Amino acid sequence: RKEVEQDPGPFNVPEGATVAFNCTYSNSASQSFFWYRQDCRKEPKLLMSVYSSGNEDGRFTAQLNRASQYISLLIRDSKLSDSATYLCVVNVGFQKLVFGTGTRLLVSP
Amino acid sequence: DGGITQSPKYLFRKEGQNVTLSCEQNLNHDAMYWYRQDPGQGLRLIYYSQIVNDFQKGDIAEGYSVSREKKESFPLTVTSAQKNPTAFYLCASSISNTEAFFGQGTRLTVV
Repeated sequence: RKEVEQDPGPFNVPEGATVAFNCTYSNSASQSFFWYRQDCRKEPKLLMSVYSSGNEDGRFTAQLNRASQYISLLIRDSKLSDSATYLCVVNVGFQKLVFGTGTRLLVSP
Repeated sequence: DGGITQSPKYLFRKEGQNVTLSCEQNLNHDAMYWYRQDPGQGLRLIYYSQIVNDFQKGDIAEGYSVSREKKESFPLTVTSAQKNPTAFYLCASSISNTEAFFGQGTRLTVV
């Protein structure tokens, strides 16, 4: 089983739609969790950290479910500029950061 | 400005040659990482280092080597033993259990 798994997509949604991504992780001792955004041929950039209590940043909401070992990202009111690949990242311990393969989002007019 | 710098941006290697990719950070981060990304694929961990003079293999370390002689620097050597080195290489750094910051990457092509 992979340490971090994501649905690769692509998710094709119209502008204004709400879309959600999930990511599962295998190591129950994992310590911290993040969502990154990567645009084509660019480096990944932090979108948001994920906390047990859940956190929200504008149109983006991230949640962590330790019991089921998954994290989620919800994007409301999708914009064309949200089109990108979203990467789930898990610190599985001892500073080892493992990336999921990413979920591609395409927002259309 | 604080940040993480990778060089060169583009690198061409002849088959059988070793090449070294540079990664420097002035963020005072303890941990540094090297990832490889192939077209349409996710990031795969090559090596990572928690502190100076220490590093661990990631999932795809074969054909690569690293050193961590200084906190600021974590160079990656792609050796001739790496049979398919053409890829996008990304270096990152972080402090304990926090997010990682990335350099702009190096695109390596074997010619």
